[in-house]
Amino acid sequence: KNEVEQSPQNLTAQEGEFITINCSYSVGISALHWLQQHPGGGIVSLFMLSSGKKKHGRLIATINIQEKHSSLHITASHPRDSAVYICAAQKAGNQFYFGTGTSLTVIP
Amino acid sequence: GAGVSQSPRYKVAKRGQDVALRCDPISGHVSLFWYQQALGQGPEFLTYFQNEAQLDKSGLPSDRFFAERPEGSVSTLKIQRTQQEDSAVYLCASSRAGVEETQYFGPGTRLLVL
Repeated sequence: KNEVEQSPQNLTAQEGEFITINCSYSVGISALHWLQQHPGGGIVSLFMLSSGKKKHGRLIATINIQEKHSSLHITASHPRDSAVYICAAQKAGNQFYFGTGTSLTVIP
Repeated sequence: GAGVSQSPRYKVAKRGQDVALRCDPISGHVSLFWYQQALGQGPEFLTYFQNEAQLDKSGLPSDRFFAERPEGSVSTLKIQRTQQEDSAVYLCASSRAGVEETQYFGPGTRLLVL
């Protein structure tokens, strides 16, 4: 049983499309993280959310605490957005649960 | 340095060998985390330091895994008597203060145990 589930596992989009990646979790959390991992393994932390919505450039992350669900949106997608996007649920304290990631490919 | 650095970037070990993986966090970052990422999987939490104190080691998979951060900056993850199932990417991350801060990840050390 995975504490964090992501969907879809794989996603291919045309450049310019609006993209949504979903994350559901089953544990009580203090924060929800969205991470981006490029080929070669480098990980970048995109967002840390405990409620509501955050926006950074073309990226938007939302969380619904009651429904235990978060979404990552990418507007006007670009090939450089191609990466694996990982959702991570952080419990109070410092225990983390990671999803297996969504592999996004944006085609020019 | 500008970011979290890890060394070596790649390590090949024979089964049974001991390995040591190093993490240099961003200067001044109080918190340091180690993760293990198997191929095709998301990272899994191993352990967490606040300064030199190891506050949580519940994710370490066995007593062959040992981590230290003696002076509250550089950390070393040691794996004794490596097994093939230890093959993974080991990621280090640091954050400014407590666990509520954004984490900055290093490039990882890819360990292959033959």
